[in-house]
Amino acid sequence: QQQVKQSPQSLIVQKGGISIINCAYENTAFDYFPWYQQFPGKGPALLIAIRPDVSEKKEGRFTISFNKSAKQFSLHIMDSQPGDSATYFCAFPNYGGSQGNLIFGKGTKLSVKP
Amino acid sequence: NAGVTQTPKFRILKIGQSMTLQCTQDMNHNYMYWYRQDPGMGLKLIYYSVGAGITDKGEVPNGYNVSRSTTEDFPLRLELAAPSQTSVYFCASSYRGSNTEAFFGQGTRLTVV
Repeated sequence: QQQVKQSPQSLIVQKGGISIINCAYENTAFDYFPWYQQFPGKGPALLIAIRPDVSEKKEGRFTISFNKSAKQFSLHIMDSQPGDSATYFCAFPNYGGSQGNLIFGKGTKLSVKP
Repeated sequence: NAGVTQTPKFRILKIGQSMTLQCTQDMNHNYMYWYRQDPGMGLKLIYYSVGAGITDKGEVPNGYNVSRSTTEDFPLRLELAAPSQTSVYFCASSYRGSNTEAFFGQGTRLTVV
C-alpha cells in the first residue's frame, strides 16, 4: 500500500510567520493530491488540492508546491494567523488494494501564537 | 444542505456490548467511507462502499461490519466492543472516489470501558 510520510508532527509558529508542512510519497502515479484541515471536535475538510499538471497551486495564503524529483509535496501557509491553528493532513489516492479511498498522513498539529 | 450527518456524537460502551454508528449523506454521492482516528495516527480506513449494495474492507476492518442498502445511508456496526475500539469515527462521502473531494461528518467519539 502507498505510504505517505508527513512532517513535522507538530509546529509552533508566531503570528505572521510562514508555516511549512511536508509530505513524501512513494508511488509515482497519482492524479490528485489534497490537503485537509481539521479543527478540534470537527471532521476534516478539504483545504486545497493539486493535480500533477502543475507544480504549484495557490489559494489565498495557502500554497501547495510539488517537487517531483524528491517525491515531495509541501503546504505553505503565509502570514499565519491564530485561526489557522488546526491539524493538517496530506492525503494520497489509494490505487492499490482498497480502491477509491484516500491514504492520509499522520497529521501536523499547527499552533499559531498571537 | 446538511452534507454528511453522523449520530451519535458521543457514546460510552461497556466491553462486549454492540452498537451501530449511523451515517447519512444528502449529496447523492456513490462513494462512502468509514475512518477511525487515533491520536497521532491519522485516519485509517475501516470499510468503504462504491454504491448501494457494494461494500469492501479497508485497512482495519476487524471487529466491524457495514451495510449499504441505500445511496444515502452507510451504518457501521460494532459487535462485541473492545477497548481497542476506543476512537473517533468519521464517515465520509465523495462523488467519484479518491481523486475527488471527500466530505466528512462531525465524528463520533466512542469510549469502550
